[in-house]
Amino acid sequence: DIQMTQSPSSLSASVGDRITITCRASRGISNYLNWHQQRSGEAPKVLIYAAFRLESGVPSRFSGSGSGTDFTLTISSLQPEDFATYFCQQSYSTPWTFGQGTKVEI
Amino acid sequence: QVQLQESGPGLVKPSETLSLICSVSSGPISYYYWSWIRQPPGKGLEWIGYLHYTGQTSYNPSLKSRVTISVDTSKTQFSLRMSSVTAADTAVYYCARAPHWYDSGDYLWGQGTLVTVSS
Repeated sequence: DIQMTQSPSSLSASVGDRITITCRASRGISNYLNWHQQRSGEAPKVLIYAAFRLESGVPSRFSGSGSGTDFTLTISSLQPEDFATYFCQQSYSTPWTFGQGTKVEI
Repeated sequence: QVQLQESGPGLVKPSETLSLICSVSSGPISYYYWSWIRQPPGKGLEWIGYLHYTGQTSYNPSLKSRVTISVDTSKTQFSLRMSSVTAADTAVYYCARAPHWYDSGDYLWGQGTLVTVSS
C-alpha cells in the first residue's frame, strides 16, 4: 500500500493568513493526488484533483502543486469557512489511501 | 445538481451483515468509479473499495474477504455489503464518485450515514 503522510497534523492560523499543508507519498504517484476538505460534522468534498486542478466552484485562493512524492496545498488568504480538516488522497494504485488529515484551527 | 444519497440500517448487530445503498440522482451509473469510504468517529478516512462503470471491482485488501460492492439492475443505485461486522466497523459510511479519467474532475461525495455495530 502507498502511505500518505501529511504535515502538520494541526495548525493554528488567523483569517487572512497564508497557509501550506504538505503531503508525502511513500512512493511516486505521478500527479494522482486529490485534496479533500471536511468541515466539522459534514461530508468531505474535493477541492483539488490531479495535484493542481481546482474542482468546479472551489475558490481560487486554494491551490495545489507537486508531483511524484511531494505535494502541497496552499490557501492564500484564510477565510472563516476554511477552518476545517484537510486530507490528501492518492488514486495512483489500489488500495486508494488517505493522509491522516491536517486540522486548521483558529 | 447531481447528488449521492446513502441509505440503510443505522444499527447492525455483531457478526451480522451490514448493507448500504447509494442512490445516484443523475441516473444510470456511467464513466465513473463508484466508491465506498468510511470514517470511524473522530478518525481518518478509509477507502473500502470501488465499482467501475465497466463492472470491474477493487477492494481494500484489509476488508476484501468481507466486502462486496455491486450495482442494481437499474444501474441507478450501487450497494455495499460487509459481512461478519464487529464494533471496529462502527463508522460513518460515505459513497463517492471519481471520474474515469482522473484529471477530468467532477468528483462527488454523499452526505454519509452512521452505522453503529452493537448488540
